[in-house]
Amino acid sequence: GQQLNQSPQSMFIQEGEDVSMNCTSSSIFNTWLWYKQDPGEGPVLLIALYKAGELTSNGRLTAQFGITRKDSFLNISASIPSDVGIYFCAGQSSAFGNEKLTFGTGTRLTIIP
Amino acid sequence: DAGVIQSPRHEVTEMGQEVTLRCKPISGHNSLFWYRQTMMRGLELLIYFNNNVPIDDSGMPEDRFSAKMPNASFSTLKIQPSEPRDSAVYFCASSLFLNMGTEAFFGQGTRLTVV
Repeated sequence: GQQLNQSPQSMFIQEGEDVSMNCTSSSIFNTWLWYKQDPGEGPVLLIALYKAGELTSNGRLTAQFGITRKDSFLNISASIPSDVGIYFCAGQSSAFGNEKLTFGTGTRLTIIP
Repeated sequence: DAGVIQSPRHEVTEMGQEVTLRCKPISGHNSLFWYRQTMMRGLELLIYFNNNVPIDDSGMPEDRFSAKMPNASFSTLKIQPSEPRDSAVYFCASSLFLNMGTEAFFGQGTRLTVV
């Protein structure tokens, strides 16, 4: 089956630093999604990408749909304490939007005081 | 909209008991997903429905797990009998069918502990 490798598994940064994380797939996806999960809550959608090469921003977050359609990147600029949490990538292989999402293993972001 | 609503938020039960988790998807969404999250295995898709019909249940661990969606606004995930290894957070998510892709919105989850 499809597998998503997400890296890094965890990050320890200082407030104000930029953050980069990525996901790679063993097969092609037609949609990439990035989610953030806070403790005790469900994942919340941050950014959705639908075209290879697409670059999309949501405030301090920027995500890109890799040109090969097998990878995606998420960048967070000028991190703040509320950015702490687990970030998940998710990919979908069907162009018709009727297929399940495959989730990455997550990147745990911690901000060091 | 209130978002995806799951109940209960927490469930503690004894091994062998039946457990029923409930989900109300976002109104108008036609796809519903049940996920299980553990530290060891991350987020695993158990089953998903489209227009109330189960499409893929290959993620359901075994026959002890069953899911139903009797109408567009309600779904249940049942475990009978429950075992300690079923302890996890169970998420329900829903999405609106779109030609360009599907954005799934998650509920807050049910934390199940089987003792």
